[in-house]
Amino acid sequence: GESVGLHLPTLSVQEGDNSIINCAYSNSASDYFIWYKQESGKGPQFIIDIRSNMDKRQGQRVTVLLNKTVKHLSLQIAATQPGDSAVYFCAPRAGNMLTFGGGTRLMVKP
Amino acid sequence: DAGVIQSPRHEVTEMGQEVTLRCKPISGHDYLFWYRQTMMRGLELLIYFNNNVPIDDSGMPEDRFSAKMPNASFSTLKIQPSEPRDSAVYFCASRRSGTSNQPQHFGDGTRLSIL
Repeated sequence: GESVGLHLPTLSVQEGDNSIINCAYSNSASDYFIWYKQESGKGPQFIIDIRSNMDKRQGQRVTVLLNKTVKHLSLQIAATQPGDSAVYFCAPRAGNMLTFGGGTRLMVKP
Repeated sequence: DAGVIQSPRHEVTEMGQEVTLRCKPISGHDYLFWYRQTMMRGLELLIYFNNNVPIDDSGMPEDRFSAKMPNASFSTLKIQPSEPRDSAVYFCASRRSGTSNQPQHFGDGTRLSIL
């Protein structure tokens, strides 16, 4: 079955630095990938997505990179801010269903 | 625009009681998903609907759990009887179908505590 693993359960960065959050997935049928941000007491919030026919997509301060060969994607956050502190999930989709890994906690030090 | 709306935000009840969680999806979204989140198991998909019809309920833990979607703007997740191990945060999410990929949008969840 599908498994999604995150390399770094907790990432601590200095305010203003760039953050990189990694995600490995196992289902080669995954054709669409979403990154979510979850703050305490709230639901997962959509950040950025990428289709399997792309290898890079940029948003405002965020970039997602997809390497289908090794089934890996990453979320890069530029100039990390205290408001970026949260748990981040990657969610590969196969069919209509998303699979969520355990998440990575990003802590931003002032 | 209103997002996915869930109620109640918090529910504390004694084991054995019936619990009903409610969800209003985003208008125009024809897919609705129910998830459960715990520290041990993370986010798990319980069931999802398309056009008010349950499509996949393989994630529903057992017969004590049931979900309905009587119309496009309302869904319920019911637990009867509830047990302490059902304590978790329950999320509802919705998305629209279409030719392009569409992300799921989540509500802020119901934090359920069964004593």
